[in-house]
Amino acid sequence: AQTVTQSQPEMSVQEAETVTLSCTYDTSESNYYLFWYKQPPSRQMILVIRQEAYKQQNATENRFSVNFQKAAKSFSLKISDSQLGDTAMYFCAFMKRTSGTYKYIFGTGTRLKVLA
Amino acid sequence: KAGVTQTPRYLIKTRGQQVTLSCSPISGHRSVSWYQQTPGQGLQFLFEYFSETQRNKGNFPGRFSGRQFSNSRSEMNVSTLELGDSALYLCASSSEPDTPRPQHFGDGTRLSIL
Repeated sequence: AQTVTQSQPEMSVQEAETVTLSCTYDTSESNYYLFWYKQPPSRQMILVIRQEAYKQQNATENRFSVNFQKAAKSFSLKISDSQLGDTAMYFCAFMKRTSGTYKYIFGTGTRLKVLA
Repeated sequence: KAGVTQTPRYLIKTRGQQVTLSCSPISGHRSVSWYQQTPGQGLQFLFEYFSETQRNKGNFPGRFSGRQFSNSRSEMNVSTLELGDSALYLCASSSEPDTPRPQHFGDGTRLSIL
């Protein structure tokens, strides 16, 4: 069975600093997709960034980038120049095709607090 | 385009009661998934519906059920509520379940069991 592990329940970072959130996953599949979602306090969960496993190049979205290590099954999220608005719960998610449809598996989340 | 709408936002029930939660997906989205979010457990997948048919189901007891209507709106029902059912229930929609598209989430329904 696929699992997604986020080993850091809580983290904090000073405003303008860089922080890295870790995520590891377990799968025997070779074709899958990885996502980071952000859930601000009392607000809607939104997609931050996605990575296709067949792509070697790490995905980037403005201040957000990933370090995708396929052999190590690691998918960390780096947030550069942290802002107060980055305070949120971050979920790593794994998606693969199962019985003709795509199914998500989420990690337990990392609560990130950006300090002024 | 309106986002995913979940109603109600908050709900308080007592043990043994039943509850129905509603989710209206983004217009044009035909796939709706339900998740249970609790502290320390993250998001646990409940089930997914597409074209009024349940396509995937997570490891939850039969007290948890759902359905989808012809307009893609979905409802989730929990019967014989237990204290452990207290959670944030999230609904997510996507345009096609057969493509690796990101899901769009609603604000959730926070269910508290007394």
